[in-house]
Amino acid sequence: EDKVVQSPLSLVVHEGDTVTLNCSYEVTNFRSLLWYKQEKKAPTFLFMLTSSGIEKKSGRLSSILDKKELFSILNITATQTGDSAIYLCAGSTDSWGKFQFGAGTQVVVTP
Amino acid sequence: DTAVSQTPKYLVTQMGNDKSIKCEQNLGHDTMYWYKQDSKKFLKIMFSYNNKELIINETVPNRFSPKSPDKAHLNLHINSLELGDSAVYFCASAQGTTSPLHFGNGTRLTVT
Repeated sequence: EDKVVQSPLSLVVHEGDTVTLNCSYEVTNFRSLLWYKQEKKAPTFLFMLTSSGIEKKSGRLSSILDKKELFSILNITATQTGDSAIYLCAGSTDSWGKFQFGAGTQVVVTP
Repeated sequence: DTAVSQTPKYLVTQMGNDKSIKCEQNLGHDTMYWYKQDSKKFLKIMFSYNNKELIINETVPNRFSPKSPDKAHLNLHINSLELGDSAVYFCASAQGTTSPLHFGNGTRLTVT
């Protein structure tokens, strides 16, 4: 059975700190690993990773995939209170419609 | 210019009632989904449609019946609502298997 596990489940940091979120996956016919940020409403897309070792960057956020060890990390540097959210990762497969989500990591950034 | 829109945003109803949630996407995607997010924020896939054809039905009770009149719309009808159906239901769309999911803003269903 496909499984995506995120850690930690939650963390609290001070503004300016760096945060590293982990996502490990066991997904049959793995195609890609996706990261989402969820505040009050819909999860919003951050990154899609398909190749090992290639870092994707967007502002203070970056992410990388290791297909040999079956995990991905999401880094947030110089955190701000607006980074407070639940961060979700999902593994997708070649099969139609199969996005398996992890339970998410709740990040709280305090001023 | 909303990409994926769901109605209603909130739904409060009593056990035993029947209700529907509607979803529309204007992204031109060929695949649409229903996800259920429980109180622990875990997102679980319920159904997936590709070009109006049902392709995933993840052991959802048959009280839940999705309908896709065309590839831009996916509705969810729920019969005989139960307390355990209370959750946030998200509609999402994607293009094939190579693009990320785009989510609607969710429908918060509360069954009393």
